[in-house]
This record gives sequence, C-alpha cells and structure tokens, in this order.
Amino acid sequence: EAGVAQSPRYKIIEKRQSVAFWCNPISGHATLYWYQQILGQGPKLLIQFQNNGVVDDSQLPKDRFSAERLKGVDSTLKIQPAKLEDSAVYLCASSLGRGGLPQDTQYFGPGTRLTVL
Amino acid sequence: SQQGEEDPQALSIQEGENATMNCSYKTSINNLQWYRQNSGRGLVHLILIRSNEREKHSGRLRVTLDTSKKSSSLLITASRAADTASYFCATFQGAQKLVFGQGTRLTINP
Repeated sequence: EAGVAQSPRYKIIEKRQSVAFWCNPISGHATLYWYQQILGQGPKLLIQFQNNGVVDDSQLPKDRFSAERLKGVDSTLKIQPAKLEDSAVYLCASSLGRGGLPQDTQYFGPGTRLTVL
Repeated sequence: SQQGEEDPQALSIQEGENATMNCSYKTSINNLQWYRQNSGRGLVHLILIRSNEREKHSGRLRVTLDTSKKSSSLLITASRAADTASYFCATFQGAQKLVFGQGTRLTINP
C-alpha cells in the first residue's frame, strides 16, 4: 500500500514570497491533516479535512495560510506571503475517518521542509 | 496548546541498554499514542494504549498508562542504533484533534 505522498520535499524562499505544498493521502482515507512542525517541537495541527469539508482550522493563520481539498482526495496548502517564522516542516497525514470512530491512527507523509530567508 | 509533555527532553544511552521516556498530559483521554520520528522515515505511529488499559507491548516496546496520574511511559528494551529518533506522545483534544508533546530526543551510542 502506498503511503502519504508530499511534494516538494524541500523549499527555500524569500520572505513575502508565496509557496504551495501538495499532499496525496492514502487511497480511501477520508480524513486529511496538515501539521506544522517547528524545529525542536512536536507537530501542531493547522487544518483537518473530512472528505472535502473543513473539520478544524482553528490554528490556521488565515491571513496568510490557505488550504483546499477540492475533490476529497489531494490537498494543497499555500502560504502567501511567507514570514521568517513560517520556517518549519509541513507534514500531511491521513486516516480512514470512519464514522463514529474519529480517533483513527494517522499516517504521515515525509514532510516538506520550508526555509524562509 | 500542548496536551502532552515528554520527559526527558533528551536521552543518550549505550546500545543494548533500555530507554525509558515519560509523558504527562492534562485532560482526560480515550487513548494515548506514541510516535517516532527520524530523518529517514518521518513520523511513524508506534503504539496506541486505550484509557482502560494499563500496559501494552509491541515487540521491544512497552507502554504503560496511569490515568490517575495522567502519565504514560514508553520503554524500549535492548536498544539499537536504529532506535535513534525523537519520540512523541499524542492525545486527542476533543473528538478529533490530535495534540503532540515536544518530544524526547533519543540517541543510541554504539
């Protein structure tokens, strides 16, 4: 079974530039998550989708971050404009998302390491 | 907000020794999970222990849970170089939001 795919693996940009990350979850997984992991810290949930609807985006800085999952499969996360403090690893994860059992095991992709200069 | 806090922040041991990491959390839980993260393989789910379980084993891993103290421990026996990684505990805040601690950085010395 293929795992969660993410691209690119690395990205270096100047502050105030824009950047986009792509995630392809495990086939059949209804729930998709984007996490931000700053160096030395644990992952922090940015946004959670159930199919193509947003379940939780309470920690997404909506003035600069946006995410979509138009067809309930792939997802993109965008930052516009980027700030120095956005330097982090952006992890995508997916889970089965079975009804009544929301606390499924999450499977993580390799992440995208973003450096903002 | 962080639900779990790992202790110690860093741990260095010799290959073959046992490694113990602890996690404390703040609110009541249905389950607690442990994840491993290394540079080669990203974040990987290791084990899940439910609130009605006190101990669980998986290979060289042993997890305990004390809900009265709101704490959990992860024991890795007979450590190997490949166990070098960061280990995170994670719990659910509400029904669906998984919250991670800051992690324990484990180094296994040959």
